[in-house]
Amino acid sequence: DADVTQTPRNRITKTGKRIMLECSQTKGHDRMYWYRQDPGLGLQLIYYSFDVKDINKGEISDGYSVSRQAQAKFSLSLESAIPNQTALYFCATSDTGAGETQYFGPGTRLLVL
Amino acid sequence: SQKIEQNSEALNIQEGKTATLTCNYTNYSPAYLQWYRQDPGRGPVFLLLIRENEKEKRKERLKVTFDTTLKQSLFHITASQPADSATYLCALDPSGAGSYQLTFGKGTKLSVIP
Repeated sequence: DADVTQTPRNRITKTGKRIMLECSQTKGHDRMYWYRQDPGLGLQLIYYSFDVKDINKGEISDGYSVSRQAQAKFSLSLESAIPNQTALYFCATSDTGAGETQYFGPGTRLLVL
Repeated sequence: SQKIEQNSEALNIQEGKTATLTCNYTNYSPAYLQWYRQDPGRGPVFLLLIRENEKEKRKERLKVTFDTTLKQSLFHITASQPADSATYLCALDPSGAGSYQLTFGKGTKLSVIP
């Protein structure tokens, strides 16, 4: 089984809808991250969480919110989706300690019409 | 402004040759730099990490160098194979304090031609 899973893998929604992307991990890591990837722009950090009670904004958090329900679960919400949120979204985890590598999920492809 | 740049969007090389990918950064003083591989439609996969006090790191056919004076990392794949075709991303810690965040380059798409 995959260590970092994301659901759904693909999602089509309409402008103004609220949607949630979910991430689960079995690696036992405290740190979890949400990124979006757009062609030509690379990975951009949306939110990150160092533990269940610690959530921080990344470089592009506007229009997004997150919830860390448990050590293993970190969900990303788009309260009112807009077309420029169409992108590939990745969840990642890392262990404690500086320099620890990040382990990515398979991604969720989101299309906002 | 802070920038992390990978030398080219795409690189084509012949099978068996050495591929060299470049990552340059400005206005950062990272404590470490990482390289990831990403296949189409998949999440990045970690390959190598090199710290600021290390000049070179190797893993099988992969070699990474880190020159903090030039603010540059080079990523080499020797005896390249078609299976090495992928996009390669460099990433660094933006704070330089050994933080837990990463800033990623846009990647270089490597194609190894049989």
